[in-house]
Amino acid sequence: EAGVTQFPSHSVIEKGQTVTLRCDPISGHDNLYWYRRVMGKEIKFLLHFVKESKQDESGMPNNRFLAERTGGTYSTLKVQPAELEDSGVYFCASSPAGLPTGKLFFGSGTQLSVL
Amino acid sequence: QQQVKQSPQSLIVQKGGISIINCAYENTAFDYFPWYQQFPGKGPALLIAIRPDVSEKKEGRFTISFNKSAKQFSLHIMDSQPGDSATYFCAARDAGKSTFGDGTTLTVKP
Repeated sequence: EAGVTQFPSHSVIEKGQTVTLRCDPISGHDNLYWYRRVMGKEIKFLLHFVKESKQDESGMPNNRFLAERTGGTYSTLKVQPAELEDSGVYFCASSPAGLPTGKLFFGSGTQLSVL
Repeated sequence: QQQVKQSPQSLIVQKGGISIINCAYENTAFDYFPWYQQFPGKGPALLIAIRPDVSEKKEGRFTISFNKSAKQFSLHIMDSQPGDSATYFCAARDAGKSTFGDGTTLTVKP
């Protein structure tokens, strides 16, 4: 069974540019999460999709960040325009529907560097 | 205010020793406490987890100790091996959202 896939694995962009990260969750997983880890700090929650609907987007830093999950399959996270403080590792995670255990399956992450 | 505080930031242990990582939380609504293990270049992977109605859970060399009254929980790795060298994150879940600690980088020296 394929795991959670994220790409690109690395992205280096200049301040003011746009970057789009993609996440393919495990097939059949209704729950999809985006997290971010900045400079060795905690893995911080960004938002949660249930199928194509945003269940909780309380962690999104500001309106420069836009997440979508068309058709309830893969998800994209766009940062426009990127700022220096957006640098970090962006993780996507998924979990099956109706599984209240909190077990998350993580992708390998996208290392974003904004110069 | 960080809801889950993890310590130490880094830990060096000799092979065969015991590794102990501690976490403390504030939110009493947390109802699930997992530990994740992350190797370089990989995403975090669930290692072991506990619910607040249990004081201890053991899986192989890994044990979680949970103190509900103190709002603390810890991971113990017995007979630590070089292959255990990784970053460990504690987490706590509330209403479907998981909150993580800062992570502990464990190095096990041969």
